[in-house]
Amino acid sequence: KQEVTQIPAALSVPEGENLVLNCSFTDSAIYNLQWFRQDPGKGLTSLLLIQSSQREQTSGRLNASLDKSSGRSTLYIAASQPGDSATYLCAVWNNFNKFYFGSGTKLNVKP
Amino acid sequence: NAGVTQTPKFRILKIGQSMTLQCTQDMNHNYMYWYRQDPGMGLKLIYYSVGAGITDKGEVPNGYNVSRSTTEDFPLRLELAAPSQTSVYFCASSYGLRETQYFGPGTRLLVL
Repeated sequence: KQEVTQIPAALSVPEGENLVLNCSFTDSAIYNLQWFRQDPGKGLTSLLLIQSSQREQTSGRLNASLDKSSGRSTLYIAASQPGDSATYLCAVWNNFNKFYFGSGTKLNVKP
Repeated sequence: NAGVTQTPKFRILKIGQSMTLQCTQDMNHNYMYWYRQDPGMGLKLIYYSVGAGITDKGEVPNGYNVSRSTTEDFPLRLELAAPSQTSVYFCASSYGLRETQYFGPGTRLLVL
């Protein structure tokens, strides 16, 4: 069974810092990997989707990378802002149509 | 477009009661999903549907039932509620399987 791990569980940084969130998965036979943002009491918002054949995807200040062979993905946030404060989750689709989430990293960007 | 809507927002159930969580999407998506999220945890897939009349089990289907009679609606039925079903339930939809999913705001369920 696929295990998806996100470390650290929580992160606090001052505004303006560049930061990296980590996601690791145990089975490299994935179809794609997605990064989501979850605000308190709200649903999830999709940020980036990386296909298994891709190395990275970019959207604005966000850049997600994928190293399938080592079972790792990172989400890079440039010039962090207080509005970036949220929980960030990664999730992988495997080749058997199963979708597995990590438990998330709770980010706090201090003004 | 309203996107994905869920009702109710919050519900308290007694052990053994039944209820249906409603989910509707107006994006004409083929695929719809139900997840549960326990405190401090990621989401776990309960069931998903690939179109009207077609559903399949996810990671944690026990204690739940689904149906998909229309493209827009994907209700989740809880029979004989148990405390272990206390959770936040999210519905989502996507155009294709394994494509970007759009989530509803969630239903918080407490079983006492």
